[in-house]
Amino acid sequence: EVQLLESGGGLVQPGGSLRLSCAASRFTFSSYAMSWVRQAPGKGLEWVSVIGGSGDTTYYADSVKGRFTISRDNSKNTLYLQMNSLRAEDTAVYYCAKHMVTGYWYFGLWGRGTLITVSS
Amino acid sequence: EIVLTQSPGTLSLSPGERATLSCRASQSVSSTYLAWYQQKPGQAPRLLIYGASSRATGIPDRFSGSGSGTDFTLTISRLEPEDFAVYYCQHYVSPPPTFGGGTKVEIK
Repeated sequence: EVQLLESGGGLVQPGGSLRLSCAASRFTFSSYAMSWVRQAPGKGLEWVSVIGGSGDTTYYADSVKGRFTISRDNSKNTLYLQMNSLRAEDTAVYYCAKHMVTGYWYFGLWGRGTLITVSS
Repeated sequence: EIVLTQSPGTLSLSPGERATLSCRASQSVSSTYLAWYQQKPGQAPRLLIYGASSRATGIPDRFSGSGSGTDFTLTISRLEPEDFAVYYCQHYVSPPPTFGGGTKVEIK
């Protein structure tokens, strides 16, 4: 079954760091751009970051620019999100999502999500 | 940044009824770049519609999308019990892609 599985979530203090991982299976991972999308508790969806299939192109939401870094290891079929200088407003479920078509930023496959709680 | 406004916030309907959900963009969006998702409690979003009117794989034909410019619509022709959920529209014209605030379809 084609799937994405996030890991690495948990409780972290304000100002702390965390790295999320997203393991992809049963599709040609390197052929697809990947994004992180988050959802604060009881709120809507917010796109966070995208990385191209080869890893050479990245974009970030203004809310995380300079603090978060997206990367990928195509040899391991894994997507990452390094989160530094975390704030309370970063508390959310973080989903990794597969872009369906090159150049089109809609998401046809989502992971189950991993919860990040930023609190002292 | 393009802002998407969804209405109504909540839609209370009975199974078998027709649901009409609206998504309005703050500036014109090519229909090529508009998607709809369904999200149930505790689950990840699921892609329903892309390109404003194309159904994703496995999506029943009771779901349809339409619209152009700044006004888009998701229609569920006859609500099934499993359709009660929150629905989000999303544009992907240019970064950042943004989502609407969602419409909750609840059982009346």
